Amino acid sequence: QSALTQPASVSGSPGQSITISCTGTSSDIGNYNVVSWYQQHPGKAPKLMIFEVSKRPSGVSTRFSGSKSGNTASLTISGLQAEDEAHYYCCSYAGSSTFVVFGGGTQLTVL
Amino acid sequence: QITLKESGPTLVKPTQTLTLTCTFSGFSLSTSGVGVGWIRQPPGKALEWLALIYWNDDKRYSPSLKSRLTITKDTSENQVVLTMTNMDPVDTGTYYCAHSIVAVARDYYYFYYMDVWGNGTTVTVSS
Repeated sequence: QSALTQPASVSGSPGQSITISCTGTSSDIGNYNVVSWYQQHPGKAPKLMIFEVSKRPSGVSTRFSGSKSGNTASLTISGLQAEDEAHYYCCSYAGSSTFVVFGGGTQLTVL
Repeated sequence: QITLKESGPTLVKPTQTLTLTCTFSGFSLSTSGVGVGWIRQPPGKALEWLALIYWNDDKRYSPSLKSRLTITKDTSENQVVLTMTNMDPVDTGTYYCAHSIVAVARDYYYFYYMDVWGNGTTVTVSS
């Protein structure tokens, strides 16, 4: 069982917007602004999409955005495209004991 | 350009020790703020963080696997090695190494994110 809770699946039609939630605790997401999001296509390595809650690495589409409220972080993808269909994982620093935690992953389906 | 590549055995027997090597280029693991981490993924399951080594040779491990893991670095060879003892079939999966952004402040160690990943190496544990 993963430390961070994500919905198992979300779906949307091309052009729509979707949001994936990632719920943690006051020991991880709620206490540090270091949530990151990773996209993983089948058979491929994860790719960093968002870091430090809401920052985008160079080369990542502006359609991807991140936010945080309390113990829950969110990834929003606007203007859905077929190529966005993938698994998405959230990740957070969780203090000196647990250190790094991942979410269970969310399968995004573009209808 | 930062690249990382994992290597190691594809098949190990139960109770054996797994040794994986991450060979990287495009950065130095003696640079402040840099680390290399290991993450694994069982077939069809989620990512699981395993270990992280800092530029200053400090190390952090997953609490649930700490007794079985050792991470080391060879800065001159641009390599990071992960060993995992007492392998079990549940350890089957893809193992990734990743360039990590980290920080140390007043003896407190932080992790920020993993910005470049290797392609992963598949390990099967079976007799």
